[in-house]
Amino acid sequence: KAGVTQTPRYLIKTRGQQVTLSCSPISGHRSVSWYQQTPGQGLQFLFEYFSETQRNKGNFPGRFSGRQFSNSRSEMNVSTLELGDSALYLCASSLAGGGGTDTQYFGPGTRLTVL
Amino acid sequence: AQSVTQLGSHVSVSEGALVLLRCNYSSSVPPYLFWYVQYPNQGLQLLLKYTTGATLVKGINGFEAEFKKSETSFHLTKPSAHMSDAAEYFCAHRRGGSNYKLTFGKGTLLTVNP
Repeated sequence: KAGVTQTPRYLIKTRGQQVTLSCSPISGHRSVSWYQQTPGQGLQFLFEYFSETQRNKGNFPGRFSGRQFSNSRSEMNVSTLELGDSALYLCASSLAGGGGTDTQYFGPGTRLTVL
Repeated sequence: AQSVTQLGSHVSVSEGALVLLRCNYSSSVPPYLFWYVQYPNQGLQLLLKYTTGATLVKGINGFEAEFKKSETSFHLTKPSAHMSDAAEYFCAHRRGGSNYKLTFGKGTLLTVNP
């Protein structure tokens, strides 16, 4: 099975711009979560989508948004980019088949640099 | 609020020596606990997980961890370090059920000296 794929792998933007990152989960996985990783704050949960609905949300401003499509692929969008948004953005997918014991598998991440 | 504490941001061992990476959690409900490894410029790879059942969990690459409820700990060990083990290791906690949010520790960078 192919793993979680994220595109693009690297991105350079300037302050004030917006950006869209894409995540394709493992085939059959229905839950997609997004995380931000920075040297200062570590790994922080952004949000999780299941069946095209945002099911859980972290403590990030409204500039961070996401969505999930019917094929479980997900996108996250960051508007009005700030220097502090420079980070590695990781996507994780899981079966979410009930019981809650299943594992989250991570993609390689998208490295966003804001200049 | 649940939290995860990893003691030691940097651990250095010699090749062949015991690896011990410490993780303590705080949670008011039975947790699901995970160890992930991250190599440079890569995503996170699951090493092992504890959900229910046996408290000694074996993972990939010879790693194992023991869930100790009385100590709220989930330390990661490997009897003999290999150069390829050099990476950053993250302990993570999840409440379970339909909440898939992982709360991560700050990470421990493992260096393996020849």
